[in-house]
Amino acid sequence: EIVLTQSPGTLSLSPGERATLSCRASQSISSTYLAWYQQKPGQPPRLLIYGASTRATGIPDRFTGSGSGADFTLTITRLEPEDFAVYYCHQSGRSPFTFGPGIKVDFK
Amino acid sequence: EVQLVDSGGGLVQPGGSLRLSCAASGFIFSSYWMTWVRQAPGNGLEWVANIKEDGSEKYYVEAVKGRFTISRDNAKNSLSLEMNSLRAEDTAVYYCASGKYRYPYWGQGTQVTVSS
Repeated sequence: EIVLTQSPGTLSLSPGERATLSCRASQSISSTYLAWYQQKPGQPPRLLIYGASTRATGIPDRFTGSGSGADFTLTITRLEPEDFAVYYCHQSGRSPFTFGPGIKVDFK
Repeated sequence: EVQLVDSGGGLVQPGGSLRLSCAASGFIFSSYWMTWVRQAPGNGLEWVANIKEDGSEKYYVEAVKGRFTISRDNAKNSLSLEMNSLRAEDTAVYYCASGKYRYPYWGQGTQVTVSS
């Protein structure tokens, strides 16, 4: 099973600041199969990025995905109030598919 | 508009059974893999199972193999998850989602609580 490790566990920032979220896989995965999701309390997850760097429909360009191999990054260039949430990376390159433990982005 | 509506959750005793359903609309259901993902209270997301467009392939996380069965009825645009021999650790919100490798659409989730 591919284990995804996300860091930091919590990111305390202010609106307008830049957020850099890391996702590291226990083994190399194809970028095709790496996605990022955002989840707010009481809501299902929302697809942000797939294929490591492709924004999903309707996702603003302040969200950028990058990386390859075993190291991937989600960057939010200027945090908006609605961006404070939990972010999960997800790999679907090898069964069983797995999610990272999540990174909470909260208000400083 | 794409809609996925999860239902069938509830309180069940350990060892019991439950059948979850997901009603799909707004897209060609028979053209998409479908997936179940769960989230235990206060925890992260866990991929549970998925099923191919025609139902010919099914995959499960190890923790539910032999106990859960994913199925679909393309004529009714419906996805199901039959859960048997339920354990306390199966307590979670269960979401259905469209897709195999990425999940652009999700249901609102249905709560399953396994407790005596």
